[in-house]
Amino acid sequence: NAGVTQTPKFRVLKTGQSMTLLCAQDMNHEYMYWYRQDPGMGLRLIHYSVGEGTTAKGEVPDGYNVSRLKKQNFLLGLESAAPSQTSVYFCASSWAHTEAFFGQGTRLTVV
Amino acid sequence: AQSVTQPDIHITVSEGASLELRCNYSYGATPYLFWYVQSPGQGLQLLLKYFSGDTLVQGIKGFEAEFKRSQSSFNLRKPSVHWSDAAEYFCAVGFNSGYSTLTFGKGTMLLVSP
Repeated sequence: NAGVTQTPKFRVLKTGQSMTLLCAQDMNHEYMYWYRQDPGMGLRLIHYSVGEGTTAKGEVPDGYNVSRLKKQNFLLGLESAAPSQTSVYFCASSWAHTEAFFGQGTRLTVV
Repeated sequence: AQSVTQPDIHITVSEGASLELRCNYSYGATPYLFWYVQSPGQGLQLLLKYFSGDTLVQGIKGFEAEFKRSQSSFNLRKPSVHWSDAAEYFCAVGFNSGYSTLTFGKGTMLLVSP
């Protein structure tokens, strides 16, 4: 049982490049989330999804897009990366109103 | 909007001493509460959770937390800290209404001295 798997684990982008982070969960959870973690800021919610085909904005959605075409996958896209998007990105999944299970994170550096 | 406050950015505790990490939340509805731990370079692991019932909850690794509604607090405790407990600890809150998501505090870094 893999839980929540994020790919890639590390990535370096140049300013203006685009990329997609993939999150996959095998727990049949309805809810999926993307957070970013920055020093001293805790985890901040970027976007989330409460079911297949649905997405919603979180606290810091600007510069990111998401898609949930399949229940088990939640993609986070950066269309034009900026240095301010250098961060560690965490995907998580859960049932409604229960604890979230986290992936191992993706460390993204934008130069 | 809901918010979570962890007033201590860093705490240093001697190995074998007791530990208490503070967490306060703000919102009017009945919360459900969590403590997560993060070791360097790792994801977040759930330590314990509170949904309802007994306000003192037991978690993994010998941790416990107490929900105090009157103080809007959910403090994490451990009677005797081990060097392996050094990590960052996050409190999180959610609410049993609508499409509630978890809101995290900014974390408390625990350092354990010999």
